[in-house]
Amino acid sequence: QVQLQESGPGLVKPSQTLSLTCTVSGGSISSGSYYWSWIRQPAGKGLEWIGRIYTSGSTNYNPSLKSRVTISVDTSKNQFSLKLSSVTAADTAVYYCARGREDGSYYFDYWGQGTLVTVSS
Amino acid sequence: DIQMTQSPSSLSASVGDRVTITCQASQDISNYLNWYQQKPGKAPKLLIYDASNLETGVPSRFSGSGSGTDFTFTISSLQPEDIATYYCQQYDNLPDTFGQGTKLEIK
Repeated sequence: QVQLQESGPGLVKPSQTLSLTCTVSGGSISSGSYYWSWIRQPAGKGLEWIGRIYTSGSTNYNPSLKSRVTISVDTSKNQFSLKLSSVTAADTAVYYCARGREDGSYYFDYWGQGTLVTVSS
Repeated sequence: DIQMTQSPSSLSASVGDRVTITCQASQDISNYLNWYQQKPGKAPKLLIYDASNLETGVPSRFSGSGSGTDFTFTISSLQPEDIATYYCQQYDNLPDTFGQGTKLEIK
């Protein structure tokens, strides 16, 4: 059974960089037709797709965040990571990592439990 | 970005009721639509992919239909454990976008 687990600081100061890592267990991050995504959810609000990465290193980002986002993958550690720079209070949210399945369809079939990141001084 | 509009935003129903949620896309997305269930404090869970395909292990009381711009999600007989917020998501064009959610409560 595939499991994803987010890790990283729960508190980030304004203007600094938010950094999170998602560790994948129960399977190789490199196997199969998958991509690896970050999605966030402000308290009491809906879901916002941040971006995705393939193990080839190819990435796609939400244009609304593109200038501040970097997603990377470390296949040797079975991890992928998110960096979001110049954060403000508007970036306070629960951040989820998720596996996207790509087999003619595209959908998120496994999610991490989510990690709350608060942007505050 | 493709805008996804769900209705209603909230819904109260009784156990055993048939519940229907709609999702409208701002442009034609074919059948590139998924439905997720999110319980409080939990991550979303995939229920339906490609508008009408039931994910493995998901109870058959859940179903989806539609194509183009108009989609429907149905629970044929509401159970207490179905209390959650439901989201539609399109993947026709990047960025993937989600509806604003429909919060389902028991009457």
